[in-house]
Amino acid sequence: DQQVKQNSPSLSVQEGRISILNCDYTNSMFDYFLWYKKYPAEGPTFLISISSIKDKNEDGRFTVFLNKSAKHLSLHIVPSQPGDSAVYFCAAAWSGGSNYKLTFGKGTLLTVNP
Amino acid sequence: DTAVSQTPKYLVTQMGNDKSIKCEQNLGHDTMYWYKQDSKKFLKIMFSYNNKELIINETVPNRFSPKSPDKAHLNLHINSLELGDSAVYFCASSLLAGGADTQYFGPGTRLTVL
Repeated sequence: DQQVKQNSPSLSVQEGRISILNCDYTNSMFDYFLWYKKYPAEGPTFLISISSIKDKNEDGRFTVFLNKSAKHLSLHIVPSQPGDSAVYFCAAAWSGGSNYKLTFGKGTLLTVNP
Repeated sequence: DTAVSQTPKYLVTQMGNDKSIKCEQNLGHDTMYWYKQDSKKFLKIMFSYNNKELIINETVPNRFSPKSPDKAHLNLHINSLELGDSAVYFCASSLLAGGADTQYFGPGTRLTVL
């Protein structure tokens, strides 16, 4: 049962344009969400996160939006750069109780063309 | 300096063998994790240790046994390797034992069972 879904396996955009990566979740207990970026032959690296008390978090070119009612979040990258080409994983967690684990989506491969 | 390191990076072995993957973190974190990324690209947690104590044990066969000699190390021993164990195994660490805490990943170990 996939609790975190990234329905687009890949996305291709032109350099300088906006990249929008989407993520949906089913578990209403999730209250903390993260995006990780992964280059080939490397481990995932943390990019940006958002708590459920917010609907937007911004860090430079990266902005994450959370729509709790729709159980949907998105990562916006603007402007996109060729170095942004990587697999992006959405992850979710429940910060309370004894559930200490991150649940990951399947990832979306972003290709930014020069 | 590498924050989370794993050895070996690649491991090719025959079915039925026993093998170990080592993980070390120099971040001073209290919690360490093992994840498996299978052929379908899902990153799934296997184990988590906090201060050398097991806190997460997902439904993983008994052939997999994690060992944490100290807070900075979490090794994964696999007995009687099977074809289905072929995957990329990622070690990770976080400061706190909470899903909402940022996890830092190692580069991964690609295990191929022939």
